[in-house]
Amino acid sequence: GNSVTQMEGPVTLSEEAFLTINCTYTATGYPSLFWYVQYPGEGLQLLLKATKADDKGSNKGFEATYRKETTSFHLEKGSVQVSDSAVYFCALSRNNAGNMLTFGGGTRLMVKP
Amino acid sequence: NAGVMQNPRHLVRRRGQEARLRCSPMKGHSHVYWYRQLPEEGLKFMVYLQKENIIDESGMPKERFSAEFPKEGPSILRIQQVVRGDSAAYFCASSKIEGGAEAFFGQGTRLTVV
Repeated sequence: GNSVTQMEGPVTLSEEAFLTINCTYTATGYPSLFWYVQYPGEGLQLLLKATKADDKGSNKGFEATYRKETTSFHLEKGSVQVSDSAVYFCALSRNNAGNMLTFGGGTRLMVKP
Repeated sequence: NAGVMQNPRHLVRRRGQEARLRCSPMKGHSHVYWYRQLPEEGLKFMVYLQKENIIDESGMPKERFSAEFPKEGPSILRIQQVVRGDSAAYFCASSKIEGGAEAFFGQGTRLTVV
């Protein structure tokens, strides 16, 4: 079946540091891949997505590239801010709609001033 | 355009009671998904519904849990005879169509069983 594995947290960085959160997946067919962000006490917000191999999703300075050969979708940001502190979830879709998502366990990011 | 509305935000139930969680999808959305997030874990898919139909319930526990999305009114996730292990955050998401549409999440209902 489908599964998503992402690095465990928490990840603690200083402001303006470079961020990488690793995500690998196992899936049949060609899933779409997503990163969601969850701020404290809130629901999930879509951060970025990629629907086919070699696509790069980007938003708010975050980027991730769909790598079929390594089955990965690592999240990166060149310079994090305190306001980026949240839990980040990697996910894949069970169909091309981006619905019925399979999530990784989440990675908590804490950015210190 | 209001987002996905879930209520209540927090729900406390004693063991053995029933819990009813409500989800009103975004306007124009006819597809609803329920997910459960256990403490310190990711979200797990539970059920996918369209109006008056359950499309996929492969993630629903076989006993005590049920879901509906009637022609009128919100989607309801019902948990009968709750146990402590049901304590979790329950998130609802909705989408406009099945193919090629983003799913938008509500803020969740945090269920605590005491």
